[in-house]
Parts: sequence; structure tokens; C-alpha cells
Amino acid sequence: NAGVTQTPKFQVLKTGQSMTLQCAQDMNHNSMYWYRQDPGMGLRLIYYSASEGTTDKGEVPNGYNVSRLNKREFSLRLESAAPSQTSVYFCASRVGQGAGGNQPQHFGDGTRLSIL
Amino acid sequence: EDQVTQSPEALRLQEGESSSLNCSYTVSGLRGLFWYRQDPGKGPEFLFTLYSAGEEKEKERLKATLTKKESFLHITAPKPEDSATYLCAVRKLSFGAGTTVTVRA
Repeated sequence: NAGVTQTPKFQVLKTGQSMTLQCAQDMNHNSMYWYRQDPGMGLRLIYYSASEGTTDKGEVPNGYNVSRLNKREFSLRLESAAPSQTSVYFCASRVGQGAGGNQPQHFGDGTRLSIL
Repeated sequence: EDQVTQSPEALRLQEGESSSLNCSYTVSGLRGLFWYRQDPGKGPEFLFTLYSAGEEKEKERLKATLTKKESFLHITAPKPEDSATYLCAVRKLSFGAGTTVTVRA
């Protein structure tokens, strides 16, 4: 059982390049999330999808776009990468629908992104 | 706006030396406080959910408690394998910065 799978695991970009981070879950979960984690800042929500077909902004959405491709997949796109977007990106999923709730989130192991 | 503050930022313990981590929060309508463990290079792994003041949950050497304003994660007689960053969150969307625990043998 793979759980939440993120690809790629590592990536180096130049400023201005674009990139899509992929996330897939095999647990039939309804809601999915994208976070970034920076030293001393904790996890900050970028975007989330409360159910298939919907997406909403989180705390730090600027410079990002998302697509909920189907129930399994939720991608994060950087259209024009900036050094400030250097971070570790985590995707998560949860069985319930809605922005928050009382079921635990399941996380992938992250994509480490460096922008030069 | 939900706010979650964890202290201390880092904790170094000797094996067997019990201690506690703090998570203080401000949120309108708590619908659950969550504790996660994160190992280096990995995503957070769920530990506990606490729903109401006075509730306690235990798992091996870890015990989580909840009051109306804060939660504590007590580590009893820790072992080196308990070394990790411990994160708390409210309503899944607001995470604290974490406490990094290092247990020396």
C-alpha cells in the first residue's frame, strides 16, 4: 500500500523556469492538500482540494497553481519559479471532505525543490 | 485566525530522562488537536487526535493531554528512537513549527 506518492523527490530549477509537482494517493481519500515547509516556519498550507472538482487557496498561494486531476491526483504548478520558493513541498490527503475535520492527514515524503 | 505555538524549539534529552513538549493554540471552535511525528527526510506521521479538554491519549512512551488553551506531549523514559520533530496542528490546516527532540544514549 503506497499511501501518498510524490514525484519528483528532488529538483533544482533556475529562476523563471516552470515545474509541476505531482501527488497521487491510493486510499480513496476525498480531500488533498499542498504544504510547504521551511526552517522555523512549520508547515504552511498553499492550496487544498476539499473534494474532487474543487480547489481553494490556503495561507500562501501566491506564485502557485493547482489542479485536482481526478480523485487520486492533485498537482502543484510553479509557473515562474523564484528563489523564495525554495522549500520542501508536502502533499497530504484525508478521507473526509471539507477543509478541516477530525480525521488524520496522511503525508507523502516530500519534494525538495531548490531554485537558483 | 488559528494560531499554534510550540515550545521549546529543540530539546536534548538523555536516554531515560522524561520531559514534556508544549503546544499552545488559539482557535475558534476546536474540532480536534493533532500530534504528528516527523523523521528527517520524511513526511509527518500521525500520532494522536484530542477533541476536548481533559482528554488523554497514550502510545508507547508518548502521552498527549489537552486543556482549553494548550496541549502537552509527555515523553516518558525516552529512547534514541524517539528522536524526531514533533508537530501539533489544529483543524488540519494550522501547524506549529515543531519541537525537535534528540535523545542521546
